[in-house]
Amino acid sequence: NAGVTQTPKFQVLKTGQSMTLQCAQDMNHEYMSWYRQDPGMGLRLIHYSVGAGITDQGEVPNGYNVSRSTTEDFPLRLLSAAPSQTSVYFCASRGEGGNQPQHFGDGTRLSIL
Amino acid sequence: ILNVEQSPQSLHVQEGDSTNFTCSFPSSNFYALHWYRWETAKSPEALFVMTLNGDEKKKGRISATLNTKEGYSYLYIKGSQPEDSATYLCAGAGGTSYGKLTFGQGTILTVHP
Repeated sequence: NAGVTQTPKFQVLKTGQSMTLQCAQDMNHEYMSWYRQDPGMGLRLIHYSVGAGITDQGEVPNGYNVSRSTTEDFPLRLLSAAPSQTSVYFCASRGEGGNQPQHFGDGTRLSIL
Repeated sequence: ILNVEQSPQSLHVQEGDSTNFTCSFPSSNFYALHWYRWETAKSPEALFVMTLNGDEKKKGRISATLNTKEGYSYLYIKGSQPEDSATYLCAGAGGTSYGKLTFGQGTILTVHP
């Protein structure tokens, strides 16, 4: 009964380093999304996917890449980490159609020094 | 991008009070409206998903209504309890972008014993 699994839970990076946040879901959901949570800003959409091989940008895509090679996995790549990317990142998934509830992972707390 | 706004930003009530908050969204290109409850140090959890004008949903002491023609939804909590303290998020899916779920900034509810 795993749901949405995010790894790692915590990470500290130096400016300029790259890394990949992993997200996997076992509910056969078509839709997957990445959000970042910053104080006073709510949840902002970074990138989303409506199925394997299909991705699109959200509100704040700059500095991030995604790919969706399988239904289960939706990794988020930071190409060259910047202090402004210090945040809590949430991955989420839901079934097809706008009327399906979204399931969230536990979040990844990322600090960029 | 669907612009979703919530009010008030924060709310303090006494145990036993009933309360409500508002979520507003563009009435054109609307598809679905979601409500989530987000406790500190946890992930958001779905409360309701509504798609039809006039929809009313209820879960225990919490209920929600939807008016798609004027572009708003209300969330009601009857007889607030300290365990209701959380951030309540609404999110909209619009037009043909079913995969893109855009969140409001949330209403932070604190229920004082």
